[in-house]
Amino acid sequence: GAGVSQSPSNKVTEKGKDVELRCDPISGHTALYWYRQSLGQGLEFLIYFQGNSAPDKSGLPSDRFSAERTGGSVSTLTIQRTQQEDSAVYLCASSLAEGGYNEQFFGPGTRLTVL
Amino acid sequence: AQSVAQPEDQVNVAEGNPLTVKCTYSVSGNPYLFWYVQYPNRGLQFLLKYITGDNLVKGSYGFEAEFNKSQTSFHLKKPSALVSDSALYFCAVRGRNTGKLIFGQGTTLQVKP
Repeated sequence: GAGVSQSPSNKVTEKGKDVELRCDPISGHTALYWYRQSLGQGLEFLIYFQGNSAPDKSGLPSDRFSAERTGGSVSTLTIQRTQQEDSAVYLCASSLAEGGYNEQFFGPGTRLTVL
Repeated sequence: AQSVAQPEDQVNVAEGNPLTVKCTYSVSGNPYLFWYVQYPNRGLQFLLKYITGDNLVKGSYGFEAEFNKSQTSFHLKKPSALVSDSALYFCAVRGRNTGKLIFGQGTTLQVKP
């Protein structure tokens, strides 16, 4: 079946611009996660959606970052007024949510470059 | 605070030899433990997980991992390495009351023919 998909695969933007990154989870997965992978910081958790519960936003690095999940499926990560330190690969993952032991399935990522 | 340590940035082994990639963790309570692999320019692929029960867990591509509660370790192993196993490996931990994965810094595995 189809895996997690993300778009765009690459995004180059100028400092100060806003960007939107999209994630389509695996059908039937109720949990969705965003992570960031960068050379200096490794893999960092950003935000987690589980069904209709309030999202866990504890990993968002600043108030320039926000995310929403519409209809319990597609998610959009928005970065406002991008900075050069936002350059990274943004990874989305999804999982079944019956238990926390379910593995997360990752998408190919969006590589964001802020000039 | 939860944390994961992968003490080796790189592990080099010869094809056919056994391999071990080390991971230790710090988390309160009983964690869920995972290994992921990342090939160049590709996303993370799930290899195996420890939930409960037997300390030796078997996963994809002939990999296995041994959970050691007293040493808080979850080392990844394979009896006979292949050149195609060369990749970046991540250990991750998830607490039982949280959704997020905490990752180690990653270990690059280089298998030479």
